[in-house]
Amino acid sequence: DVKVTQSSRYLVKRTGEKVFLECVQDMDHENMFWYRQDPGLGLRLIYFSYDVKMKEKGDIPEGYSVSREKKERFSLILESASTNQTSMYLCASRLLLGTGGYTFGSGTRLTVV
Amino acid sequence: GDSVTQMEGPVTLSEEAFLTINCTYTATGYPSLFWYVQYPGEGLQLLLKATKADDKGSNKGFEATYRKETTSFHLEKGSVQVSDSAVYFCALTQNSGNTPLVFGKGTRLSVIA
Repeated sequence: DVKVTQSSRYLVKRTGEKVFLECVQDMDHENMFWYRQDPGLGLRLIYFSYDVKMKEKGDIPEGYSVSREKKERFSLILESASTNQTSMYLCASRLLLGTGGYTFGSGTRLTVV
Repeated sequence: GDSVTQMEGPVTLSEEAFLTINCTYTATGYPSLFWYVQYPGEGLQLLLKATKADDKGSNKGFEATYRKETTSFHLEKGSVQVSDSAVYFCALTQNSGNTPLVFGKGTRLSVIA
C-alpha cells in the first residue's frame, strides 16, 4: 500500500513565524496535493503539484507557498503564520493517469497563537 | 466547474439501522466517483469508487451506484455499526489530465448503541 507520511500530527506556532509542513510518499506518485480542512467548510485545495518542480495554485493559495524538489516530497510553507491559518492540513498523492483516487496522510493539526 | 453536493449532517442512527447518504454531482463528461471516510483524528481513507455509469462500488458493507441519468452516487449500508461513526466525503475527478479531486463538504455520521 502507498504510504503518505506527514511529519507532524500536532504543531503549535507563533504568529509571524515561517512554518514548514512536510509530506512524503513512498510509491512514486506524480501528483501531490495540500488541503486544509475546517469545520463547515470541508476540504479546500491550497496547492498541488503535477511532478517535480511543478506547482499549481488551488482555491485558497494566499499566504502559502509550496516546494517540490524531489518526487516523493511536497512541502507546504506558511510564509508568516497567522491565527486564521489554524487548521487541519492534509496531504495526498495520486498516480498521474488512470482512475485512481488519492492516498491521504494522517494530517497535521496546526495551531497558530 | 465541477461540483459535488452531499446531504448536510450530522446524521444520527441507531445500531443496525439502514444508512443512506445522498450525493449528487455536476460535471462534464464521465468523471470517476469516490466515497472517502474520515475516522476521528485521522486522514481520509478511500472507501469505494466507481469509474463509469452503472458501476457499483462496494467495501465493508457499503455500496454506491454511479447513476449517470440522475448524476448521483448515494452511499448505502444495510446495517450500521458504532464503528461506522465517521465523516463521509463524496468526491469526483475527471479521468483525463491532472485535475484534482472535487470534494463535497462531508457528512458526519454518529451511530449509537
